[in-house]
Parts: sequence; structure tokens; C-alpha cells
Amino acid sequence: NAGVTQTPKFRILKIGQSMTLQCTQDMNHNYMYWYRQDPGMGLKLIYYSVGAGITDKGEVPNGYNVSRSTTEDFPLRLELAAPSQTSVYFCASSYSATGENTEAFFGQGTRLTVV
Amino acid sequence: AQTVTQSQPEMSVQEAETVTLSCTYDTSESDYYLFWYKQPPSRQMILVIRQEAYKQQNATENRFSVNFQKAAKSFSLKISDSQLGDAAMYFCAYRGIQGAQKLVFGQGTRLTINP
Repeated sequence: NAGVTQTPKFRILKIGQSMTLQCTQDMNHNYMYWYRQDPGMGLKLIYYSVGAGITDKGEVPNGYNVSRSTTEDFPLRLELAAPSQTSVYFCASSYSATGENTEAFFGQGTRLTVV
Repeated sequence: AQTVTQSQPEMSVQEAETVTLSCTYDTSESDYYLFWYKQPPSRQMILVIRQEAYKQQNATENRFSVNFQKAAKSFSLKISDSQLGDAAMYFCAYRGIQGAQKLVFGQGTRLTINP
């Protein structure tokens, strides 16, 4: 029962570096989401996907890119890391809200620090 | 766009007492889902309770219950017989069933349990 798996759990990046946060789910969910959580704050939606090959911007997409080539994987790419991207990142997945199981399942989060 | 507001950044309660966390939301949709998630210090997002907007009956899960007022767009969480393990951040979340079905979060309420 892996659920949603995020890697890495922690990462320190230097300003201007790039990295990819990996997210994979084994529940055959069509919906996948990336959120960031700044200290003491709620979760803000970065990007989401309603199925393989389909992605769209959320509330705070600047500085990030995503792809969804398979149902299972939804990586988040940070290009030219900036201190403002220091945050905890969560990946989540769910079935369609029109089905029986509508809640999202979350990964363990990635704590990213940009210095 | 849908918004979720939690007006209580922090709450505290004595162990074994009852506490209510507030949440209001804004939407033009008639059908949707509402959730309460718990985030302990481990950072994991844990589903506490779910409410379908088309159901009049308030959801309950053991010591957790909600007061769902659709006309007022209010969705409060009541925790009865508070336990030390209930200490966490609590997030209210909204999910529509149309279009992108984005999951939108409130800012969170930090709940402290006093022994």
C-alpha cells in the first residue's frame, strides 16, 4: 500500500539551481495536484492534472513546470531556484469528485530550502 | 473562484473538553464536497471528515462532527472529548465537482490541547 510517494524528503538548493520533485501514486487516480505550504500557512495550489497528458496552472505557478506522461507520475520541475521557493511541497492525488471516494491522498511532503 | 476562510489562526482547549473550529467558503456551485484535514507535527495530511453538499445530515466520525450550513456557506468542525493526540493544524478544504475539481484549502487553525 504505497499510496502517494514523494522524493526527496529534504533538499537544499543554491540560488539558480534546478531540480525535479518526484511524485508517483499507485491508486490509479486520474487527478493529481502539487501544493506548497509556507510556514504557518495553508496549502496553495501550484499545478494540477486531470489525467495523463493534461495539466493546468493553479494559484501560484510561476517558477515551476509539470508534466504528466503517465497516470502514475506527476513530477514538479523548479527552474532557477529562488529563496521565495523555500517551502514544503506536497503532492496529492484523487479520483474524480463525481465518484464514491472524493478525498485527496497526500504524499509525505518535501522540505525545500533555497540558499 | 472558490475561496475558503478559517478565521481562527489558533485555538486551545482543555483535555476532555469540546472545541469548535470555524470555516466559511465562497462558491457559486450547488454541489461540492467539504473536508477537514489534520496535519500533526509529522507533516502528514490526514483526512478527518468529509461532507457532501447535497446531504442535509451532518457528517460524524467518532468524536468529530461537523455543522454544515449550506445557505450560510459555513462548515465548522466540533471535536468532543479532546485528547492530547488531537493537537495539530486543522485545514478546511473545498472541492467542486465541475471542471477541474480543484481542492482549495483554508489558512489553517492550530489547535493546542492543554492537559
